[in-house]
Amino acid sequence: QQQVKQSPQSLIVQKGGISIINCAYENTAFDYFPWYQQFPGKGPALLIAIRPDVSEKKEGRFTISFNKSAKQFSLHIMDSQPGDSATYFCAASLSGYSTLTFGKGTMLLVSP
Amino acid sequence: DGGITQSPKYLFRKEGQNVTLSCEQNLNHDAMYWYRQDPGQGLRLIYYSQIVNDFQKGDIAEGYSVSREKKESFPLTVTSAQKNPTAFYLCASSLPGQLNTEAFFGQGTRLTVV
Repeated sequence: QQQVKQSPQSLIVQKGGISIINCAYENTAFDYFPWYQQFPGKGPALLIAIRPDVSEKKEGRFTISFNKSAKQFSLHIMDSQPGDSATYFCAASLSGYSTLTFGKGTMLLVSP
Repeated sequence: DGGITQSPKYLFRKEGQNVTLSCEQNLNHDAMYWYRQDPGQGLRLIYYSQIVNDFQKGDIAEGYSVSREKKESFPLTVTSAQKNPTAFYLCASSLPGQLNTEAFFGQGTRLTVV
């Protein structure tokens, strides 16, 4: 049973464009939704995270949009750059019980 | 520098052998985790530990074993019972019970069966 579904599996965006990655979750008790960025051969690193008491969070070119009623959240990368080319994972967990459930990942390629 | 150190970076195992992957952290985190990453499969939880001398199975624990004798260390043994061990293994740590439950990852160990 996959509790966090992520799409698309891969994405190609031109430099300067907007990259959008979507995730849907099933467990309504989840209350922490991070996005991780992973470069080839490296471990993932936290990019940005949101809690369900807000509908949007922005950090630089990265924005999370959260729709609690639809049980969906998405990552928007504005002005995408070749250096953003990486695999992105969404995840969800419960506060106080910190095991993360990950989506299957999206491989982003930003073409120059 | 605080962080998580995994070793070795690359590991080769013969059929029927047990191998142990090392994970050490100096972040003073209570919780530690092992994930397995396969292409297109995301990160799947193998084992986790929230306190010394205690650990729990994750979603894919069969064929793996762990120990947590020290707060800083959480080694993973891939036993001969694991039929398809070739994968990228990631260790992580976090402070459980906090509002910010960020997990910090090591750089991974790539295990290949030869």
